[in-house]
Amino acid sequence: DAKTTQPNSMESNEEEPVHLPCNHSTISGTDYIHWYRQLPSQGPEYVIHGLTSNVNNRMASLAIAEDRKSSTLILHRATLRDAAVYYCILRGVADDKIIFGKGTRLHILP
Amino acid sequence: GAGVSQSPRYKVAKRGQDVALRCDPISGHVSLFWYQQALGQGPEFLTYFQNEAQLDKSGLPSDRFFAERPEGSVSTLKIQRTQQEDSAVYLCASSLDRVASEQYFGPGTRLTVT
Repeated sequence: DAKTTQPNSMESNEEEPVHLPCNHSTISGTDYIHWYRQLPSQGPEYVIHGLTSNVNNRMASLAIAEDRKSSTLILHRATLRDAAVYYCILRGVADDKIIFGKGTRLHILP
Repeated sequence: GAGVSQSPRYKVAKRGQDVALRCDPISGHVSLFWYQQALGQGPEFLTYFQNEAQLDKSGLPSDRFFAERPEGSVSTLKIQRTQQEDSAVYLCASSLDRVASEQYFGPGTRLTVT
């Protein structure tokens, strides 16, 4: 399975944008890039996913490098409620289970 | 609408006891997954159902772990003769269909084996 590499932790100030990086140099052509996050004492929740083009939704934006070997999750204006562990995951079109790594623990400073 | 629910939310078991953890998926969701999450780690896959069929149980750590989904909706994860290393959060997730679709997770059951 193709793997992802994320920083263990990051800090950001409240109301500022946050850029969470993910490296996936062994990504295959059919792998989608998914992001989930896990708030304290909760199960993971879906954030966003993409294949090649940048994607936007109400929660975040996903910027995908042209060679697809890296991507960045962008939270446009962080709030305290965005403090969570963010997981960058590769999923093939036929994949059922999710293979999580350790993710990035995002701390938001008031 | 209602999300994925799990019960109990917390369970304390003495070593050697059997436990049963319940998952109620979102109505109409075909696929159901169980994950185990140790403290400070990401969730790890245990097993997967499509309707009532258990299609993948490759993540179950030993034959003490057993899961079922007899009518294709509610699922139960059973752990026999619990050991201390079974202490973890057990997460259930459901999705509308099989192919790489978004998974909706429950809040988990925190199992502590003493």
